[in-house]
Amino acid sequence: AQSVAQPEDQVNVAEGNPLTVKCTYSVSGNPYLFWYVQYPNRGLQFLLKYITGDNLVKGSYGFEAEFNKSQTSFHLKKPSALVSDSALYFCAVRDPLRATGGFKTIFGAGTRLFVKA
Amino acid sequence: DTGVSQDPRHKITKRGQNVTFRCDPISEHNRLYWYRQTLGQGPEFLTYFQNEAQLEKSRLLSDRFSAERPKGSFSTLEIQRTEQGDSAMYLCASSWGQGDQETQYFGPGTRLLVL
Repeated sequence: AQSVAQPEDQVNVAEGNPLTVKCTYSVSGNPYLFWYVQYPNRGLQFLLKYITGDNLVKGSYGFEAEFNKSQTSFHLKKPSALVSDSALYFCAVRDPLRATGGFKTIFGAGTRLFVKA
Repeated sequence: DTGVSQDPRHKITKRGQNVTFRCDPISEHNRLYWYRQTLGQGPEFLTYFQNEAQLEKSRLLSDRFSAERPKGSFSTLEIQRTEQGDSAMYLCASSWGQGDQETQYFGPGTRLLVL
């Protein structure tokens, strides 16, 4: 079964410093990995995805993620954090609904990011 | 704003009452998904539509839950005889089936509180 794990409940970082939010995955077959961000009262927003190709994926709002097959990791990064980046971040993996097409998204438990001014 | 809208945004009801939520997906998207998110957890898959056909249901979707997507456009999720354990955020997502590049876009959710 497909799964992702986010080992940190919370990450604290000072504004202007680089940030990393960690994610590890366990999949059968090729991994299709996603990062979403959830702001209060605004649902989930798609940040970026890894399907295949370059291990460094660039996404929205200056975020990027590094896919590492040997470590089965897909960490989210940003070179310089902003206070407005404070939110709940979810790593996710695609789990195909093979008989019917489409897929369900399997989410981690989430990591809350606090960026202090 | 992802383009997926949900209504209402908040719902408070008493145990035993029925509630219905609506989701309007991005207009050209043929696939629509419902998820449930409880406090401190990531969203969990409930059900999936391709056009008007409901193709998959999670075991989380008890017989008190029913979802429809008439005409393959908006969708409704109804919970009958609500229980306190139904309190959660209900999220809708839509996508255009396009193989490997398919991405689900989520709405803002409906937060349900059952008293």
